[in-house]
Amino acid sequence: KQEVTQIPAALSVPEGENLVLNCSFTDSAIYNLQWFRQDPGKGLTSLLLIQSSQREQTSGRLNASLDKSSGRSTLYIAASQPGDSATYLCAVTPDRGSTLGRLYFGRGTQLTVWP
Amino acid sequence: GAVVSQHPSWVICKSGTSVKIECRSLDFQATTMFWYRQFPKQSLMLMATSNEGSKATYEQGVEKDKFLINHASLTLSTLTVTSAHPEDSSFYICSARDRGPGLGELFFGEGSRLTVL
Repeated sequence: KQEVTQIPAALSVPEGENLVLNCSFTDSAIYNLQWFRQDPGKGLTSLLLIQSSQREQTSGRLNASLDKSSGRSTLYIAASQPGDSATYLCAVTPDRGSTLGRLYFGRGTQLTVWP
Repeated sequence: GAVVSQHPSWVICKSGTSVKIECRSLDFQATTMFWYRQFPKQSLMLMATSNEGSKATYEQGVEKDKFLINHASLTLSTLTVTSAHPEDSSFYICSARDRGPGLGELFFGEGSRLTVL
């Protein structure tokens, strides 16, 4: 069974810092990997999606990398802002059988950026 | 971008009552929708996969008679929590995938917070 782990569980930094959030998964047979943002009591906002054949994706101050063979992904946030404060979730879509389309989530990294 | 709407966004009910949560894809057709549950400080866990026009597929440990899922159209899936109890209090989120080719991106609803007294 696929297991997704995110490190650190929580992170508190001053505004302006560059951040690295880590995600690892146990089964490298994935179709894609997504990073989401979740604000307290809210649903999910998709940030970046990386297909299994890709190495990275970028959107604004966000950059996500994927090393499928080692089961790792990294979300890099440049010049962090207080508005970036949220929980960041990593999720993978398995690439086999009847589970296509479902996601396995990590527990998330709770990020606080203070002014 | 694609939009998935959930209703209600929050609900409080008495123990023993049933609660229905709706998940709608507003601007695309979804043959498959997924229902997740999230307890505080925990990750989202898949409860069931809802398939339009057929029975839902439930994950191990999820009681199909307690969590009734109906996917009667390509834009609507409903989750009914029957005879709810306090331990069912959680954040329920649905997601949907466009029925176009490939797997692509999943789109999530805003979630529904259920509190059972």
